[in-house]
Amino acid sequence: DQQVKQNSPSLSVQEGRISILNCDYTNSMFDYFLWYKKYPAEGPTFLISISSIKDKNEDGRFTVFLNKSAKHLSLHIVPSQPGDSAVYFCAASGDNAGNMLTFGGGTRLMVKP
Amino acid sequence: DAMVIQNPRYQVTQFGKPVTLSCSQTLNHNVMYWYQQKSSQAPKLLFHYYDKDFNNEADTPDNFQSRRPNTSFCFLDIRSPGLGDAAMYLCATSPTGLGGYTFGSGTRLTVV
Repeated sequence: DQQVKQNSPSLSVQEGRISILNCDYTNSMFDYFLWYKKYPAEGPTFLISISSIKDKNEDGRFTVFLNKSAKHLSLHIVPSQPGDSAVYFCAASGDNAGNMLTFGGGTRLMVKP
Repeated sequence: DAMVIQNPRYQVTQFGKPVTLSCSQTLNHNVMYWYQQKSSQAPKLLFHYYDKDFNNEADTPDNFQSRRPNTSFCFLDIRSPGLGDAAMYLCATSPTGLGGYTFGSGTRLTVV
């Protein structure tokens, strides 16, 4: 029973365009959401997070949107760069502190020059 | 730089031969986690330590054990590795109540 789902295993985008990565969750107790980026042969690195009291959080080229009623969040990358090519994991936590994370299966983003 | 270090990066072990993976941190975080990640799948939590308190996930096989001798170190012991245990093993830490994990680079385990 996957509580966090990333339904697109891969996404290909042209450099300079917007990348939109999606994530759905089923557990209504989740109240803190994070995105991690993972390069091959490296551990995931934290990218951006959002608390359930917000519906948007922005950090430079990265914006995360949260739709609690739909149990859906998305990560927007604008403009996309070739260095953004990586696997992106959505994660959720129920303790409002980002501990005890449940991960999605990841989406592989390829940004073409 | 404060960080989470996993050794070795790549480990090859024989079927049934015990193997230990190690993780160390310089962040002084209370919580340490071990995740197993198989290809194209979500990282799966095996267990975590909250300080010295050990918490095992219900579906973690008995074949997997862990030790945390002090704040800085945590070990994953696989007593009798099977072919299905081949995976990337990720160690992570987090500070209590402040959120956010810091991951190590992982150890890729191959069972032959």
